[in-house]
Amino acid sequence: DGGITQSPKYLFRKEGQNVTLSCEQNLNHDAMYWYRQDPGQGLRLIYYSQIVNDFQKGDIAEGYSVSREKKESFPLTVTSAQKNPTAFYLCASSMFGQTPMDYTFGSGTRLTVV
Amino acid sequence: SQELEQSPQSLIVQEGKNLTINCTSSKTLYGLYWYKQKYGEGLIFLMMLQKGGEEKSHEKITAKLDEKKQQSSLHITASQPSHAGIYLCGADGTGNQFYFGTGTSLTVIP
Repeated sequence: DGGITQSPKYLFRKEGQNVTLSCEQNLNHDAMYWYRQDPGQGLRLIYYSQIVNDFQKGDIAEGYSVSREKKESFPLTVTSAQKNPTAFYLCASSMFGQTPMDYTFGSGTRLTVV
Repeated sequence: SQELEQSPQSLIVQEGKNLTINCTSSKTLYGLYWYKQKYGEGLIFLMMLQKGGEEKSHEKITAKLDEKKQQSSLHITASQPSHAGIYLCGADGTGNQFYFGTGTSLTVIP
């Protein structure tokens, strides 16, 4: 079955360390997105990519980096520059030009800094 | 950037009660989406509204976009524990960006 997979589900990081969250889709979707969700809040866009080897900053890109070397994969690195990285991270994908009602969401990664 | 404010931020209701969640935009809405999120999971699309005054229903959930297209409401009739979760509105922004609301956490007590 096609879908979007995020791993790991839970991740612990020591302060000052970089950590990479995985997002893989086998839906042949062109676009992929990373969102951050803080407790009791909505989703905020970190980065998005509409095509391989290209990506754009969202509203809260500082302290994060991404790559899109393959259509299926859009890993997110939370760098040590991100001052408050503890949050729930959601990845999504869609075909180019699709409306958000057609977005497919992963099940998320909960990152905790210890 | 587009701002979507939801109210209330959290809601605790007794099973069987009706409830309403609001989503207010800082700009005119050209497409308003409602999603439900189970705690710690991805989002499930509920419905989309585009026209001012438009109202859509799915099972016991009704969403409406006001005439001025800057506010939407989501109404749940006779709430059930299965309705519990986080409800998020979303809207198209400029460029290819899509914005989510601040979210409403719903708890339904059996």
